[in-house]
Amino acid sequence: SQWGEENLQALSIQEGEDVTMNCSYKTYTTVVHWYRQDSGRGPALIILIRSNEREKRSGRLRATLDTSSQSSSLSITAAQCEDTAVYFCATSGGNYKPTFGKGTSLVVHP
Amino acid sequence: GPKVLQIPSHQIIDMGQMVTLNCDPVSNHLYFYWYKQILGQQMEFLVNFYNGKVMEKSKLFKDQFSVERPDGSYFTLKIQPTALEDSAVYFCASSLRDRVYEQYFGPGTRLTVL
Repeated sequence: SQWGEENLQALSIQEGEDVTMNCSYKTYTTVVHWYRQDSGRGPALIILIRSNEREKRSGRLRATLDTSSQSSSLSITAAQCEDTAVYFCATSGGNYKPTFGKGTSLVVHP
Repeated sequence: GPKVLQIPSHQIIDMGQMVTLNCDPVSNHLYFYWYKQILGQQMEFLVNFYNGKVMEKSKLFKDQFSVERPDGSYFTLKIQPTALEDSAVYFCASSLRDRVYEQYFGPGTRLTVL
């Protein structure tokens, strides 16, 4: 999972598989953002989940949030090659200063 | 979707020089942000800006850094003077005033300080 002093993680899967990426955080959080970043481009917000939500879905994406364990996950169902990217979470605690995780590099092979 | 543009995409300068990074935010957005990402590390918040003022900044936003958006033109990050540790990719983002968690990012400017 992402956070702290962990290095950027790497996952390699086959097309059609499901994958889950995890994120843990340490401070008070009202919102968890999940981004994907393609090589050479800026991050793009893909799912935003608030502290009063336990789950959020968007197409093949599913995010969960467990405030008691201070963790969030992002799942991709039936991954496709175009899902290859770096995925990272960010947390915001009621202000506009998000704290970012180091990210998970996902490679989906055909 | 809405696009944020950043100019230039790459900038190489000598330590001690001044550099200005330019951001063209989404047209109806009112909140603007700068982030710094050193290669292989996580992105870090620098500053946000609304209504002509810095709203919040991190400890990375040193005294040598300044931001402005004169007359609705580019939102700029100026570093004067630059230091070696300023080498990074700088991302600009913008959002609506009431949707600060939904930020749109530019492609970044890679700054190399020699």
